[in-house]
Amino acid sequence: NAGVTQTPKFQVLKTGQSMTLQCAQDMNHNSMYWYRQDPGMGLRLIYYSASEGTTDKGEVPNGYNVSRLNKREFSLRLESAAPSQTSVYFCASSAEGREQYFGPGTRLTVT
Amino acid sequence: GENVEQHPSTLSVQEGDSAVIKCTYSDSASNYFPWYKQELGKGPQLIIDIRSNVGEKKDQRIAVTLNKTAKHFSLHITETQPEDSAVYFCAARGGSYIPTFGRGTSLIVHP
Repeated sequence: NAGVTQTPKFQVLKTGQSMTLQCAQDMNHNSMYWYRQDPGMGLRLIYYSASEGTTDKGEVPNGYNVSRLNKREFSLRLESAAPSQTSVYFCASSAEGREQYFGPGTRLTVT
Repeated sequence: GENVEQHPSTLSVQEGDSAVIKCTYSDSASNYFPWYKQELGKGPQLIIDIRSNVGEKKDQRIAVTLNKTAKHFSLHITETQPEDSAVYFCAARGGSYIPTFGRGTSLIVHP
């Protein structure tokens, strides 16, 4: 099992550019999540998906959109990147009521 | 919503010493408390968790204690080793299956 995979690992964008972060899991989990991690701020939830076909906003959803493409894949899109979105992004998945498994992260810099 | 406070933000110990990280939570309905370890450049990984019907849980050199009345829980690492150096996150989860994370503790173990 690969667990949770994320692409790309690193990305540099200019202000106003768009991009999609990809996440996939092979553990047959129903729930998937996107977090951002900033120094001293811990892990903040951007969006989550309780099951295929559903998505909900988390703590910091502004400037992001998500798509739960199927049970395995959950993508995060930045339509018009801003320097405030410079961060490390983590995708996670979990079975119902169980612990989360995290991917290796995408380090994004917006200049 | 749930609020999780984690202290200290940085903890420096000598190899062989014990380390204790403390968290408090606000929602009395929270019933699941995981701890994650994040090594440099990687995603968080679950190291131990505890549910509200248990007061203490141990796994080799790590242990977690929970005081539901006071709404606090702690991570204890004994006989610390340099490979224990990492960022540790506590989290609390209640009726919704979405955990709330603390801001993290950077543990440095000096050889």
